[in-house]
Amino acid sequence: GAGVSQSPSNKVTEKGKDVELRCDPISGHTALYWYRQSLGQGLEFLIYFQGNSAPDKSGLPSDRFSAERTGGSVSTLTIQRTQQEDSAVYLCASSLRGAGGYTFGSGTRLTVV
Amino acid sequence: KNEVEQSPQNLTAQEGEFITINCSYSVGISALHWLQQHPGGGIVSLFMLSSGKKKHGRLIATINIQEKHSSLHITASHPRDSAVYICAVSRGGSQGNLIFGKGTKLSVKP
Repeated sequence: GAGVSQSPSNKVTEKGKDVELRCDPISGHTALYWYRQSLGQGLEFLIYFQGNSAPDKSGLPSDRFSAERTGGSVSTLTIQRTQQEDSAVYLCASSLRGAGGYTFGSGTRLTVV
Repeated sequence: KNEVEQSPQNLTAQEGEFITINCSYSVGISALHWLQQHPGGGIVSLFMLSSGKKKHGRLIATINIQEKHSSLHITASHPRDSAVYICAVSRGGSQGNLIFGKGTKLSVKP
């Protein structure tokens, strides 16, 4: 696509439920990144994909968080048993072969109530 | 102490003023990034630097590797430049594993 597309744009979920966030990167971008922006916390790195593999998942905050990428394209970030502290804007970005020049999506605002 | 520090946290300027935002970091890096986040939340990548200076329109970014310092300059500022400017560094190995500064909120008044 022309840009990085994320869905849903907003998600309100009850504590304890699982959520899936989707990122559709720019066509041809092999590198894909997930970040989180919490209120008052700034941006933090979650996970990096090169193709379908994740060479760096060091930013995932707990084992409730997982992500996958299939076909070198769409990625899904899954949060199991959501907690209130998971409330944040989840941002996806992609780049060509991990060479920087990131293009960011508009984010998914997750609210856990 | 944060690994990436930005100053100032907030900046108000009059249209036409020359603006400087500073970023200092304390870790070894492979590249430094300047990002712009508009009030609606969208983030745009402005620059990626590993040395020297880059210019794009009215924006100029410089980096001094020895001093671990970078500056973002905006010449002839305009109200549409109002945004949060974020400095981020990537360490060797994983390009996407960025460490972010807390951002500088810029407001340019007409």
